[in-house]
Amino acid sequence: NAGVTQTPKFRVLKTGQSMTLLCAQDMNHEYMYWYRQDPGMGLRLIHYSVGEGTTAKGEVPDGYNVSRLKKQNFLLGLESAAPSQTSVYFCASSYPSGLDLGETQYFGPGTRLLVL
Amino acid sequence: SQQGEEDPQALSIQEGENATMNCSYKTSINNLQWYRQNSGRGLVHLILIRSNEREKHSGRLRVTLDTSKKSSSLLITASRAADTASYFCATESGGYQKVTFGTGTKLQVIP
Repeated sequence: NAGVTQTPKFRVLKTGQSMTLLCAQDMNHEYMYWYRQDPGMGLRLIHYSVGEGTTAKGEVPDGYNVSRLKKQNFLLGLESAAPSQTSVYFCASSYPSGLDLGETQYFGPGTRLLVL
Repeated sequence: SQQGEEDPQALSIQEGENATMNCSYKTSINNLQWYRQNSGRGLVHLILIRSNEREKHSGRLRVTLDTSKKSSSLLITASRAADTASYFCATESGGYQKVTFGTGTKLQVIP
């Protein structure tokens, strides 16, 4: 049981390049999330998904796209990378237990992205 | 915008001492969670407290919630060097997993 895995672990991009970050979970979780973490900012939600084939915007979605073609995978794409997207990206997943009950989120190890 | 704000931003204590971190939030919540993040790693869930609960314990962790003051505290008793990490509160409000993380408290436990 690997939990939540992310690839790659580290990447350097030039401005304007594109890339896709892959998140995979083997816990049969319905919900998946992409966050970015910047110094002094905590975690900010980029996009999330409440099930296969569905995605929704979070707090900071601009410049990113996502897809959830398979339940276990959640992809984050950067079409044209900018230096402002230099950050650490975390994927998380959770299993819904019902509204108002709260669900624990399980996090991946993170992807460090540097955009030059 | 950040819902949760942790205080202090950084805390340094000696091993064996207790560590207390506080979290304040702005809007009503369904529950509040605390997470730990070791340097260079992902977040790990520690404990969840629901809005109708006032106190919860888990091992050396004690969490309190005061919804009238919109604040929560995390107490780590008898701290260990391995507790060195950043601690984040996360509030959940509204439906569909609307969880917002605070900016974190960086705890250093000196052996």
